[in-house]
Amino acid sequence: GQSLEQPSEVTAVEGAIVQINCTYQTSGFYGLSWYQQHDGGAPTFLSYNALDGLEETGRFSSFLSRSDSYGYLLLQELQMKDSASYFCAVSGYSTLTFGKGTMLLVSP
Amino acid sequence: NAGVTQTPKFQVLKTGQSMTLQCAQDMNHEYMSWYRQDPGMGLRLIHYSVGAGITDQGEVPNGYNVSRSTTEDFPLRLLSAAPSQTSVYFCASSYSKPPRPEQFFGPGTRLTVL
Repeated sequence: GQSLEQPSEVTAVEGAIVQINCTYQTSGFYGLSWYQQHDGGAPTFLSYNALDGLEETGRFSSFLSRSDSYGYLLLQELQMKDSASYFCAVSGYSTLTFGKGTMLLVSP
Repeated sequence: NAGVTQTPKFQVLKTGQSMTLQCAQDMNHEYMSWYRQDPGMGLRLIHYSVGAGITDQGEVPNGYNVSRSTTEDFPLRLLSAAPSQTSVYFCASSYSKPPRPEQFFGPGTRLTVL
């Protein structure tokens, strides 16, 4: 089976940097994805790591360490619109398994 | 392109009723899936399909049926609704199956079973 752990809530102020961690236990791992979901909306894809290291997409970066079964999402120059839930997800063969999500609250 | 569409947006059922949640995509995606989202539980996979005529069970398939007769459509059937099926249901699609990571999600159906 698959299990993922991520913090339930993180708070930060505008302009700051925040890191959301994700640890996973899985049988059959191809990569780690991150999704964003605003309240009442649909999840949207942010990033994907198949190999160890850092992937950067604008203000967002994602990191993976396969040996540690660990990854994180780094959000820089936080904006109010970044307040949302963030989910890590493990790609297996034919399926995507999501963590329970981290609610990010950005305050002025 | 409309992307992934779901109908209805909201639905209230009584225990024991059956219904079908509709999902369609116009991106010619081979892979489609259904998730349910409950507070504090994240998204849990119900059923998925890697192509027309092929379906398989996910993590929480009990009480749900699916079929995939065309590439575009992937309906989810609740056979006999129970209060435990009160949830938000999301349909998703992608060009190919995972590990390809980018899933496109529909807007969701909010279902209440009384």
